[in-house]
Amino acid sequence: GAVVSQHPSWVICKSGTSVKIECRSLDFQATTMFWYRQFPKQSLMLMATSNEGSKATYEQGVEKDKFLINHASLTLSTLTVTSAHPEDSSFYICSAQGLAGESDTQYFGPGTRLTVL
Amino acid sequence: GQNIDQPTEMTATEGAIVQINCTYQTSGFNGLFWYQQHAGEAPTFLSYNVLDGLEEKGRFSSFLSRSKGYSYLLLKELQMKDSASYLCAVKDSNYQLIWGAGTKLIIKP
Repeated sequence: GAVVSQHPSWVICKSGTSVKIECRSLDFQATTMFWYRQFPKQSLMLMATSNEGSKATYEQGVEKDKFLINHASLTLSTLTVTSAHPEDSSFYICSAQGLAGESDTQYFGPGTRLTVL
Repeated sequence: GQNIDQPTEMTATEGAIVQINCTYQTSGFNGLFWYQQHAGEAPTFLSYNVLDGLEEKGRFSSFLSRSKGYSYLLLKELQMKDSASYLCAVKDSNYQLIWGAGTKLIIKP
């Protein structure tokens, strides 16, 4: 139980294009989903928290117009990196929290490696 | 401010036991989590402590002392596949998860 999937697992795009990443909780309903970014050999950095049906809460320094988050259902959240630039190249990881396994635990998706050329 | 401290790196021998410590100073406490993260992969959940004491799960155990703001993750019978980073995280009074920087564990044969 408590499986989270992410798609795509990796993506390469040209500078200026937009990329959408999907995060799904496969066997439980996720009341809250989180989006993280991790640069090589660095800590996880929380970008935003989203609750189903409401606007995401962004961490300080994260541009909400650049990183669009939609949490349309209890099993799906999407992150769209708009007008991507090389500095957006990173490992993007989502996690989901809900009524699964141990309460209040975040279960992570496998991550999406984004490379912007 | 909120702070979680854990060693940057530790080395241990295959078959041995290693203890990874985590100390925290947060505004409130609503549980402590340990995650394992292999290089290039996402974190996977290991354990959750909210009450004082030891939680055992197979080769892994996690201990918590709320009065001391302290936890440790104990790994027994180390295997090469245990080489990874181990992340300590604390949920504060707002139920926000505060992450430590992680401890890179290197297992030598």
